[in-house]
Amino acid sequence: GAVVSQHPSRVICKSGTSVKIECRSLDFQATTMFWYRQFPKQSLMLMATSNEGSKATYEQGVEKDKFLINHASLTLSTLTVTSAHPEDSSFYICSALKGQEYNYGYTFGSGTRLTVV
Amino acid sequence: GEDVEQSLFLSVREGDSSVINCTYTDSSSTYLYWYKQEPGAGLQLLTYIFSNMDMKQDQRLTVLLNKKDKHLSLRIADTQTGDSAIYFCAESGGAAGNKLTFGGGTRVLVKP
Repeated sequence: GAVVSQHPSRVICKSGTSVKIECRSLDFQATTMFWYRQFPKQSLMLMATSNEGSKATYEQGVEKDKFLINHASLTLSTLTVTSAHPEDSSFYICSALKGQEYNYGYTFGSGTRLTVV
Repeated sequence: GEDVEQSLFLSVREGDSSVINCTYTDSSSTYLYWYKQEPGAGLQLLTYIFSNMDMKQDQRLTVLLNKKDKHLSLRIADTQTGDSAIYFCAESGGAAGNKLTFGGGTRVLVKP
């Protein structure tokens, strides 16, 4: 089946530093990847959609200069939280879509717990 | 925008059936999904249903879709303690295209 690997699973960083989160599709080519943010006991909030080789499309209210997304290959997308602040602490989850195969569902990574101190 | 809603919490005894309900507003949704999230983990696809289907069964899981009422349900037969988790319904293929629109999640607690 489709597997998405997300790293790191947990990271603690100091305010003002940048953190990179990786999302890899292991056994399929992901033409589209999605990045979500999840606050405690809440649903997933879509941050941006990235397509391989093109600029990411950000949802309203998401700062593109703060959350840098790169989808350099069909198997790798990265989210970099720049100049992190405590309010950026959250659970970040990526998901990957194989072509237009909605019937496979969207395969999710295991998430990254970011804590900014 | 389009909306997906779920009840917040469900408590069920081990061995009983669980029914989780979901309503959505986008009548052009193509696929509807149920995902399971355990603490500190990502989302696991449980099942999905295409919008032209009324029912889909997969082992202990039964999905019912009432397209007229825009109502989706997930029934878990013989609920086990390992079924305790948050369940999200989601839709795609409608006005938001290939983006998933999630409900707020239903926390299911299975009591022994």
